[in-house]
Amino acid sequence: DTEVTQTPKHLVMGMTNKKSLKCEQHMGHRAMYWYKQKAKKPPELMFVYSYEKLSINESVPSRFSPECPNSSLLNLHLHALQPEDSALYLCASSLGQGNFLYGYTFGSGTRLTVV
Amino acid sequence: AQTVTQSQPEMSVQEAETVTLSCTYDTSENNYYLFWYKQPPSRQMILVIRQEAYKQQNATENRFSVNFQKAAKSFSLKISDSQLGDTAMYFCAFMNPTGTASKLTFGTGTRLQVTL
Repeated sequence: DTEVTQTPKHLVMGMTNKKSLKCEQHMGHRAMYWYKQKAKKPPELMFVYSYEKLSINESVPSRFSPECPNSSLLNLHLHALQPEDSALYLCASSLGQGNFLYGYTFGSGTRLTVV
Repeated sequence: AQTVTQSQPEMSVQEAETVTLSCTYDTSENNYYLFWYKQPPSRQMILVIRQEAYKQQNATENRFSVNFQKAAKSFSLKISDSQLGDTAMYFCAFMNPTGTASKLTFGTGTRLQVTL
């Protein structure tokens, strides 16, 4: 299995809703990432998990809450979002420490619309 | 902080022709990695080619090759024999290895259109 699977592919939520994005990989990668991508812009890093521990939080608002229950699964919990949070949310994984040459493997993203 | 600059927002090339996408970066590090990613309309970011900074030899992957100039901090992508399926957004990316996890920084992207 050489894929990163993200669900759902599309999500529409109200500003008072609570929802979660899910990301899964079975490549034995030990680092996982959340990126946010606005239209016609590059992806921007949000969070990095390394060996199931949060190692980087790029000053993301607390309405975004990441979770890494195990080495294969990464969640992003969403609560009280704003319309400006509408974007493509990309998950990625990598081998981790000492294996940087292979870059990241990305999922195809969740298109989030906040209404 | 590292920055990655792609000065060509859009480019167009005819099928079977060759096109070069430019990328420059700024870093004070000596050990790093450079990548080109492709993002077609399907949205998934696909790794095209990668380069280790300490290797002088330019990387090549089939029709894709790079011109890596470390002193000039330049990392351009050449696509030979362009195909319609090459139409996509292309992002240059820089990775500075850290202690426990890498951090990938993207340029602003170049939208490539391959025409008949």
